[in-house]
Amino acid sequence: QSALTQPASVSGSPGQSISISCTGTSSDVGGYYLVSWYQQHPGKAPKLLIHDVTKRSSGISYRFSGSKSANTASLTISGLQAEDEADYYCYSYAGSNTWVFGGGTKLSVL
Amino acid sequence: QVQLEESGGGVVQPGGSLRLSCAASGFTFSSFGMHWVRQAPGKGLEWLAVISSDGSNKFYADSVKGRFTISRDNSKNTMFLQMSTLKTDDTAVYYCARDMATGPISGDFDFWGQGTLVPVSS
Repeated sequence: QSALTQPASVSGSPGQSISISCTGTSSDVGGYYLVSWYQQHPGKAPKLLIHDVTKRSSGISYRFSGSKSANTASLTISGLQAEDEADYYCYSYAGSNTWVFGGGTKLSVL
Repeated sequence: QVQLEESGGGVVQPGGSLRLSCAASGFTFSSFGMHWVRQAPGKGLEWLAVISSDGSNKFYADSVKGRFTISRDNSKNTMFLQMSTLKTDDTAVYYCARDMATGPISGDFDFWGQGTLVPVSS
């Protein structure tokens, strides 16, 4: 159960699109269609954005989308807005009823 | 409205024990699996454990297996995390979170508590 690998930080300008990668192994990301993405603003609890790789959680903007190829999942945010500045975590089923988070990515909106 | 409230955090010495509680309200507690997730200061999230809606199934991350025990009392709408043999690396904010599905555990969380801080320090 090693943490999934995410870039420490990404940045973009308002209106641009960015992607955050999440690399695991065939035992987690690559082995199941069960990758989720969470957004966390400072001092707040995380919020579910995407589950089952591509499904947006209720009330989540169409600007957020997910995908997966082999052992790497990605979160894409289009039309960046100031309020998107936050930490983002990927999360995957890792087999045997266990789950694992990525290390987190800090998104800065310049 | 769904509410989850953790309690029981506080300073504990290395090697010590502590029991956290998570009081739930606003939903049928006995219908949902529940999780514990922690976040060390300035660090990322770490999934720790899950318990099924009826308490019959419990699963743990390797990092806490054998040291932490998850349990629940559906008659009191409360979940617990018994932590023992604590290490300084266990210093974190501990969150309880509701599994987003009724029935089989989905692994995802739709509601979280505000967290309770557990500093492990001598």
